[in-house]
Amino acid sequence: DAKTTQPTSMDCAEGRAANLPCNHSTISGNEYVYWYRQIHSQGPQYIIHGLKNNETNEMASLIITEDRKSSTLILPHATLRDTAVYYCIVSSTNAGKSTFGDGTTLTVKP
Amino acid sequence: ETGVTQSPTHLIKTRGQQVTLRCSSQSGHNTVSWYQQALGQGPQFIFQYYREEENGRGNFPPRFSGLQFPNYSSELNVNALELDDSALYLCASSRSAGQASYEQYFGPGTRLTVT
Repeated sequence: DAKTTQPTSMDCAEGRAANLPCNHSTISGNEYVYWYRQIHSQGPQYIIHGLKNNETNEMASLIITEDRKSSTLILPHATLRDTAVYYCIVSSTNAGKSTFGDGTTLTVKP
Repeated sequence: ETGVTQSPTHLIKTRGQQVTLRCSSQSGHNTVSWYQQALGQGPQFIFQYYREEENGRGNFPPRFSGLQFPNYSSELNVNALELDDSALYLCASSRSAGQASYEQYFGPGTRLTVT
């Protein structure tokens, strides 16, 4: 599976959009981009995933560049409860075998 | 719909002992993956079970073993515990290990401390 690069940490003001970048320049054609988050000491929570089209659900939007070498997770109106470690994973058909990197620690500030 | 559950929540063991951790997958899911998460790091893939067979393994020694049962629940067994095995052990289930891509749903984890 392709490797990903994420910033170590980011801050965001409450109520503003949080844009979390992920670089996956070695992604293959059949690999999906997944985002999970982990709030302190809990199990990771699935957020969203996509192959090449942009995706949106009730939690977030996922923007994938046309060359698929990078993506951005957007939390449209961040709240304090969105403070967590966000993991970007690139995986082929079976995402259950992925190893997570160190992720981005997002801190939402009042 | 019942989510992924794990037991026990916390466990303290002594070096050299053996431990069994348990996981019940989400309803309708037939694939279970196990992860080890050391403090301050992301989860590391241990192995996956699909329809009671091991379906992939990460870089973990054979003393880490598992089982999946007909109801798709699963166990992780670790023999000859070492201090470095102290970690949060996470179980995740998904709908299929087949061709389509499905998201995983994680349990709350078991915190194992080896002294």
